[in-house]
Amino acid sequence: EAGVAQSPRYKIIEKRQSVAFWCNPISGHATLYWYQQILGQGPKLLIQFQNNGVVDDSQLPKDRFSAERLKGVDSTLKIQPAKLEDSAVYLCASSFPALLSGVNTGELFFGEGSRLTVL
Amino acid sequence: GNSVTQMEGPVTLSEEAFLTINCTYTATGYPSLFWYVQYPGEGLQLLLKATKADDKGSNKGFEATYRKETTSFHLEKGSVQVSDSAVYFCALKNNGNQFYFGTGTSLTVIP
Repeated sequence: EAGVAQSPRYKIIEKRQSVAFWCNPISGHATLYWYQQILGQGPKLLIQFQNNGVVDDSQLPKDRFSAERLKGVDSTLKIQPAKLEDSAVYLCASSFPALLSGVNTGELFFGEGSRLTVL
Repeated sequence: GNSVTQMEGPVTLSEEAFLTINCTYTATGYPSLFWYVQYPGEGLQLLLKATKADDKGSNKGFEATYRKETTSFHLEKGSVQVSDSAVYFCALKNNGNQFYFGTGTSLTVIP
């Protein structure tokens, strides 16, 4: 079974430029998450989708970050304009919907991440 | 609210030493608890999980027991190997399928 796919793996941009990251979750996974992982810290949730609807985007800096999952499958995260403090690894993850399992056990499956460096 | 606090690192151990990485949590409701591991140059992957109080998760010689009375999920291994060198993250999942991660503990095992 294919895992969570992310691209690009690495991106270097200058501040005030824009960047987009793409994620394709595991087939059949309805829930998709974008996390930001700054060096030395744990992953911080940016946005959570259930199918193509947003469940939680309370920590997404909406003045510069946007994300969409139009057809309920793959997703794009965009940053415009980027700031120095946006340098981080952007992780995409997906999980089984809890309703299918009947028990609240669904774990996250992560992609390898997209490392962003803002100069 | 929901949060996870884990032991700060880095931790350096000799091969075959006993490992404990402490993790405590704050949560509303009845969360599931997880340990994820990130090997150098790789993505996060699930190490073990527990879904209710007193459950013990285990994998690759690692164990953790869900202790509701102490709100803890400490990770243990009786004899670490060089290949266990990685960053370990404790996490909880609430009933809304939202995950909260600790800051990670870096483990280095020396021969």
